[in-house]
Amino acid sequence: SQKIEQNSEALNIQEGKTATLTCNYTNYSPAYLQWYRQDPGRGPVFLLLIRENEKEKRKERLKVTFDTTLKQSLFHITASQPADSATYLCALLGFQKLVFGTGTRLLVSP
Amino acid sequence: DAGVIQSPRHEVTEMGQEVTLRCKPISGHNSLFWYRQTMMRGLELLIYFNNNVPIDDSGMPEDRFSAKMPNASFSTLKIQPSEPRDSAVYFCASSRAGVSNQPQHFGDGTRLSIL
Repeated sequence: SQKIEQNSEALNIQEGKTATLTCNYTNYSPAYLQWYRQDPGRGPVFLLLIRENEKEKRKERLKVTFDTTLKQSLFHITASQPADSATYLCALLGFQKLVFGTGTRLLVSP
Repeated sequence: DAGVIQSPRHEVTEMGQEVTLRCKPISGHNSLFWYRQTMMRGLELLIYFNNNVPIDDSGMPEDRFSAKMPNASFSTLKIQPSEPRDSAVYFCASSRAGVSNQPQHFGDGTRLSIL
């Protein structure tokens, strides 16, 4: 069966450290993968897109990797700040629709 | 620029009542999506429209759910009759080009509680 898995447990880190979130998938062959941020009571907000032929993508303090052999994407936030605390969702194109993972909650402590 | 606008933000109603959720997409976006989010199942696509035409409604749970897009700037999702298991947050999103590499822009959702 098709699955997108993100760690359901919250990730707690200290300010200034690098946060790394994982997105694993099975039985998909996505042409691209997207990452979104969701704050409580708000809709998801698009952050980054990475294509299957790209190994890595960066935007300011954000970095995304995409390994189609491992079927995994890693999302990194360097020099994390309390304002980075949110839920992060990965999404991939599966059978002509965008399919979302359930998200990982990140808590950055000062 | 105005983002995707959804109304109402909260809706509490009794089982059996009709519920109508509304969405105004971003001007110039030709694709509109309705999602439902719950703790158990995460964010699920219910239906999406391209140029006001429904393209994929395979995620609509059952006949009690219906969606319309009468013009490029307005869409509704209707539940009739509503049931407690329909309680969830319903999001509308729009994009420039269907299900593609274009990002989807989400509204802030309607939190629906069916008693």
